[in-house]
Amino acid sequence: NAGVTQTPKFQVLKTGQSMTLQCAQDMNHEYMSWYRQDPGMGLRLIHYSVGAGITDQGEVPNGYNVSRSTTEDFPLRLLSAAPSQTSVYFCASRPTGTGRTGELFFGEGSRLTVL
Amino acid sequence: DAKTTQPPSMDCAEGRAANLPCNHSTISGNEYVYWYRQIHSQGPQYIIHGLKNNETNEMASLIITEDRKSSTLILPHATLRDTAVYYCIGGGGRGSTLGRLYFGRGTQLTVWP
Repeated sequence: NAGVTQTPKFQVLKTGQSMTLQCAQDMNHEYMSWYRQDPGMGLRLIHYSVGAGITDQGEVPNGYNVSRSTTEDFPLRLLSAAPSQTSVYFCASRPTGTGRTGELFFGEGSRLTVL
Repeated sequence: DAKTTQPPSMDCAEGRAANLPCNHSTISGNEYVYWYRQIHSQGPQYIIHGLKNNETNEMASLIITEDRKSSTLILPHATLRDTAVYYCIGGGGRGSTLGRLYFGRGTQLTVWP
């Protein structure tokens, strides 16, 4: 199993450009989420999904869109990139079930720079 | 979901036990306590979780106080490879908002030779 796969690993954008960060998991996890990590800020939840067709906002959703058309994929879209979105982005998924609902599996991260 | 408070940094000598504290006084009765760590710039890695009882696995032990307002993660014999940021999270219990698992800033543990 590949686990959680994020692409691209590195990306440089100009202000105003759009792009999509891809996240795929092959563990049949219903829950998927996106976090961003800035220096000294820990991880902040952007959006999450508890299943195909269901998404919800986290702490810092502004400037980001998500959709969940399949169980496997949860892309994160930046419609008009801003320098404040320069960050490292992590995708995570988790299995459902009693007592295991917090055990997140993370991808390796996508490092985005917006100039 | 419970807010957690952790010291920003700690250090520990190699081979000694590292005890990382976490306060989660707002945790509800059905919310679990989870611990993760993040080595350098990698994705966070799950360590352990518990509800009421103390837990142990191959990586660490988790001690939860009887009132569940705080917990301690114990790395019994710290190595240099345990240098990382450790996150304590409360949440994910049945009936809670299962989607929202918030990471704070964690504790930077430095293990020195």
